Parts: sequence; C-alpha cells; structure tokens
Amino acid sequence: EVQLLESGGGLVQPGGSLRLSCAASGFTFSSYGMSWVRQAPGKGLEWVSGISTNGGSTYYADSMKGRFTISRDNSKTTLYLQMNSLRAEDTAVYFCVKGATSFDYWGQGTLVTVSS
Amino acid sequence: DVVMTQSPLSLPVTLGQPASISCSSSQSLVYSDGNTFLHWFQQRPGQSPRRLIYQISNRDSGVPDRFSGSGSGTDFTLKISSVEAEDVGVYYCMQGTHWPRTFGQGTKVEIK
Repeated sequence: EVQLLESGGGLVQPGGSLRLSCAASGFTFSSYGMSWVRQAPGKGLEWVSGISTNGGSTYYADSMKGRFTISRDNSKTTLYLQMNSLRAEDTAVYFCVKGATSFDYWGQGTLVTVSS
Repeated sequence: DVVMTQSPLSLPVTLGQPASISCSSSQSLVYSDGNTFLHWFQQRPGQSPRRLIYQISNRDSGVPDRFSGSGSGTDFTLKISSVEAEDVGVYYCMQGTHWPRTFGQGTKVEIK
C-alpha cells in the first residue's frame, strides 16, 4: 500500500523558513518523480514543485522560484521542500504527491501557517 | 503557462441524475510521445484529493464505472452517469504534459 506521510508544517513568521518532509513507502520511491501541491484555505489546488527520479531535474511554479527548493533522498525514501522567505500567501496545506506527471497518490497534507 | 478552464464552477445535481464537467486547456495537452496527460481528481470535504481518471479516460482502481472521461487535444469532459450522495465534493482537472503543471479552478458538485 502506497503511503505518503508529510511532516514539518506549523506556524512561522513572515520571512521565516520551514522544511517539509514526506516519508514514502509501499512503492519503489527511486523509480518515480514526485511533486508538491498546495491548497490555501477554502481555495483550489496549486502545483508547487516537481522533481525527477534522481533529483537531477527540478521544476517550480513561478511564485516559488528562488524561495522554495525541492529535493529527495532515495536512500531514505523521503521527499523534501525547503521553504524560505515565507509570505502570508504561502499559508496552505501542502500535499506530497507520487509522480511528476501521474499524480496518482496523495498524502494527507501538512498545514503551513505564515503569520506574525 | 497552460491555463485550465473548468465549467461550470458549481454544479447542483439531483440524486440519480447525470452530471458533466468540462475542462479546456489553452494549448494542446498531447505530449511528444503521443500521450495526453489530462487527469481528473475528486476532493471530498475534509479529504485529500484522489485521482479518478488518468490520461483522459482511464479509471483508477476502485473508481465506480459511473465515472467516465473523454476528450482530446484541448477539450475534455468528466461525466457521472448517475450521481450518488458520495460524489459530493470538488472536481479538478489537471494537465501533466507541460511545465509548470496546472489545475483547473475546481467544480463543486452538490446535491439539490
């Protein structure tokens, strides 16, 4: 059974940083691209970032470029999202998603709140 | 960026009646290998999104056959043949062909 367990969310002040993690299991992690998708309170889904199987290729939504960094550790079957210079508009539930094209499994999400 | 436009954004339906959601993209979603990475997701209240349909018309495992997808190029449709109470939620189309990936605005399905 595929499982994606996000962690690392919480309350952070504007301008601060957070690192999200996603522990994956139930599939061959190193064989799949991975993604992060977020959802602001009461809003729709917004793609954040994607990464290739070996981490050699990374992709970002324009509003996250230069502030967010996606990475992965295939030996630990874990996906990461380093978020810097956080803004109030980054407040959202962040979902870890299996696949960079397929999006076939989603985690439960972790809430990030940016507020003073 | 590829803009995904869904309609309607709100869809009140009667139990047992059909429902249809349209999704159009601002450019073709046909990838260089001939595949079209247009997917449909369901998000029930309080839950994570769940993929229902992948590559236009393929139902995911466990998805009832009352859900079907169709379309090509830039125009796609999700149909529910006979709406049940458990179908209440928000439905999103998404394209996985071009970077950045993009979602439609979402269509809220509710029971009349």
